[in-house]
Amino acid sequence: AQKITQTQPGMFVQEKEAVTLDCTYDTSDPSYGLFWYKQPSSGEMIFLIYQGSYDQQNATEGRYSLNFQKARKSANLVISASQLGDSAMYFCAMREVDNFNKFYFGSGTKLNVKP
Amino acid sequence: ETGVTQSPTHLIKTRGQQVTLRCSSQSGHNTVSWYQQALGQGPQFIFQYYREEENGRGNFPPRFSGLQFPNYSSELNVNALELDDSALYLCASKAGGGRNTEAFFGQGTRLTVV
Repeated sequence: AQKITQTQPGMFVQEKEAVTLDCTYDTSDPSYGLFWYKQPSSGEMIFLIYQGSYDQQNATEGRYSLNFQKARKSANLVISASQLGDSAMYFCAMREVDNFNKFYFGSGTKLNVKP
Repeated sequence: ETGVTQSPTHLIKTRGQQVTLRCSSQSGHNTVSWYQQALGQGPQFIFQYYREEENGRGNFPPRFSGLQFPNYSSELNVNALELDDSALYLCASKAGGGRNTEAFFGQGTRLTVV
């Protein structure tokens, strides 16, 4: 079964507007971490935000926030005030407790910010 | 700047050849994992090393092998290259064995097999 599902292959957003990128996950492990990475065309994975499964509050990092709904197993990324430089691929990923550095990635969402 | 460097950045090999990809991690990052990212897909876990021992492997054949060295560098070796091995290969390193710490990715090596 897919561990991470991203159902939006591509998204468009107007500059300065907010956008939500969807992510659902599947795990039976009670302890896990959820991550969002940005991948520009250069290929490097840039860490954006992290949410632990036991964290009570939604994570925020600058313009990025994670809408964590544990019961629904969703971890959507919200980007506020989009900028042209936000155009890139975005990947949702999960790491389970016994796997020190093993990430399960979704298929990604290509975000295009329009001027 | 993640402090993780991969080399080479691009590589073209012929089917049947062998290739070695390298990853240099930050000091203290004793956990490294490797991923294969085919065009248009998310990265797929190949294997990970912790303190120079392989301690996790994804669904990849034995011709994918690795090494981790005491100086926080590591290698991914692929034997008998196939056309489907063409992909971006990423390494990710992190400090310690704890789970709730960020992993830092390199910029990747783009391998083309012809």
